[in-house]
Amino acid sequence: GENVEQHPSTLSVQEGDSAVIKCTYSDSASNYFPWYKQELGKGPQLIIDIRSNVGEKKDQRIAVTLNKTAKHFSLHITETQPEDSAVYFCAAGEHQGGSEKLVFGKGTKLTVNP
Amino acid sequence: GAGVSQSPSNKVTEKGKDVELRCDPISGHTALYWYRQSLGQGLEFLIYFQGNSAPDKSGLPSDRFSAERTGGSVSTLTIQRTQQEDSAVYLCASSRKYSNQPQHFGDGTRLSIL
Repeated sequence: GENVEQHPSTLSVQEGDSAVIKCTYSDSASNYFPWYKQELGKGPQLIIDIRSNVGEKKDQRIAVTLNKTAKHFSLHITETQPEDSAVYFCAAGEHQGGSEKLVFGKGTKLTVNP
Repeated sequence: GAGVSQSPSNKVTEKGKDVELRCDPISGHTALYWYRQSLGQGLEFLIYFQGNSAPDKSGLPSDRFSAERTGGSVSTLTIQRTQQEDSAVYLCASSRKYSNQPQHFGDGTRLSIL
């Protein structure tokens, strides 16, 4: 089955700096890669996703890149703000025998210092 | 519009008791997922429902866990004879029918076993 590794586990940046979170996956058949932001006491909120037919996607201050050959994908947040502080999860969509599910990384706790 | 709704938001029970957790998916979403999130960990897949198809129960950790989905909408996750290791946040997500559609999460049920 799919295995997703996420790094770093914690990340602290100054307000205005950029933050980068990296993930690798094991199953070359995976073709959907969402990123979620989770605030304390809340469920994960989808912030951006990418499908394997594109290499990069951008939405305002957030961008995701995908390298299918190397089986890794990254989240880039520019001009970070204190409200970006949260736990971020990457995931890979796994399809098997008519079923599908997301396999998640273990999360990155991002702290943006004012 | 209304998002995924889960109840109760918190549940405290004694070891050995049975518990039922409820999920109301987004209207029109035919796919429903249950995940478990242990303290400081990523999300672990439990079960997947898609329309009238047989559910994928491959993620259920033991036969004490079961889930059903009535009328293709509301789902309940039941844990029998609860153990302390069952303490976690149980998250429900729903998505549209087609493959690789974004999964939208509820805020979860925080289950504590005394």
